[in-house]
Amino acid sequence: DAKTTQPPSMDCAEGRAANLPCNHSTISGNEYVYWYRQIHSQGPQYIIHGLKNNETNEMASLIITEDRKSSTLILPHATLRDTAVYYCIVTSGTYKYIFGTGTRLKVLA
Amino acid sequence: DTGVSQDPRHKITKRGQNVTFRCDPISEHNRLYWYRQTLGQGPEFLTYFQNEAQLEKSRLLSDRFSAERPKGSFSTLEIQRTEQGDSAMYLCASSTGTSGRLGTDTQYFGPGTRLTVL
Repeated sequence: DAKTTQPPSMDCAEGRAANLPCNHSTISGNEYVYWYRQIHSQGPQYIIHGLKNNETNEMASLIITEDRKSSTLILPHATLRDTAVYYCIVTSGTYKYIFGTGTRLKVLA
Repeated sequence: DTGVSQDPRHKITKRGQNVTFRCDPISEHNRLYWYRQTLGQGPEFLTYFQNEAQLEKSRLLSDRFSAERPKGSFSTLEIQRTEQGDSAMYLCASSTGTSGRLGTDTQYFGPGTRLTVL
């Protein structure tokens, strides 16, 4: 599975959109982009995933570039409860996920 | 759908003791995964089951570790002769094992068991 690169940390003002980038330049055609988040001392929580088209659900939007080498997770109106570590994972959907160290998002009041 | 549950949530043990953790997946999920997470790192894959069959084991899973899923429902992870380096969060996840809307299989994680070895 392809490797991902994320900034180690980001801050966002409460009520503003949080845009979390992920680079996956070695992604192959059958690999999906997944996003999870992990709030302190809890298990990772699934957010969203996509293959090549942009996706939106009740939690977030996922924007994947046309060449699929990078993506952005958008939390449209960040709240204090969105403070967490966000993981971008690229997987062919076989069995294991390979997690990096993620982006620590801090939402500021 | 009550989600993945794990028991216990916290375990403190002395070096050399054996410990066992339990994971109950989402009902009707055929696949079950174990991961380990140390402080400041992302989770690392340990092993996974398709129904009762253990299909893959990471080299992280030394011979002191054993996992079972005897009836294809809950799973146990046992660590024998614990070492201080085993201190970590042990995470369980499950998935249906079939392709969803986008043609892939999504894993759902439990709350984890935090192990501290003194």
